[in-house]
Amino acid sequence: DAKTTQPPSMDCAEGRAANLPCNHSTISGNEYVYWYRQIHSQGPQYIIHGLKNNETNEMASLIITEDRKSSTLILPHATLRDTAVYYCIVRVGDSGGGADGLTFGKGTHLIIQP
Amino acid sequence: AAGVIQSPRHLIKEKRETATLKCYPIPRHDTVYWYQQGPGQDPQFLISFYEKMQSDKGSIPDRFSAQQFSDYHSELNMSSLELGDSALYFCASSPLGHSEGDTQYFGPGTRLTVL
Repeated sequence: DAKTTQPPSMDCAEGRAANLPCNHSTISGNEYVYWYRQIHSQGPQYIIHGLKNNETNEMASLIITEDRKSSTLILPHATLRDTAVYYCIVRVGDSGGGADGLTFGKGTHLIIQP
Repeated sequence: AAGVIQSPRHLIKEKRETATLKCYPIPRHDTVYWYQQGPGQDPQFLISFYEKMQSDKGSIPDRFSAQQFSDYHSELNMSSLELGDSALYFCASSPLGHSEGDTQYFGPGTRLTVL
């Protein structure tokens, strides 16, 4: 799986959009970008994933650059409950990766300020 | 919606004892994964099972073993426990065999403390 690089920490004001960047310059053509978050000591929570098109769900939006070497997770209206470690993970997805385990990097500790 | 169930949620053991952690996947999910997260660390993949067969293997110690049963639940067996085994253990499941993608959904974890 391709490696990812994320800033170790970020702050965001409550109510504002939180934009979390991820670099994955060695991503392969069949690899998806997945985002998970982990609120302190809870199980990682799936947020969103995408291959090359931008994706949106009820939690967040995922913007992937045209060359697919980087992406941005957007939480449109951050709340205090969004304070967590956010992990960007690149892997072969949608059944192409089989039952392969996820490789968690260091992630970004997002702190939402009141 | 139903989630992954793990039991017990907390477990305290002495060194050299054994422990068994259980994982009940989301209904219709046929694939389970085990992860270990030590204090201050990121989750590390241990092992996975698809249709009751071991599928992928990560950094699982030889003292640990796991299996998946006919009802798709899984158990992680840990023997000769060491202080360093104290960690959160997460189970995840995915609907791999149902062509619904392989997104992994995590349980709440079991906190194992070895004294």
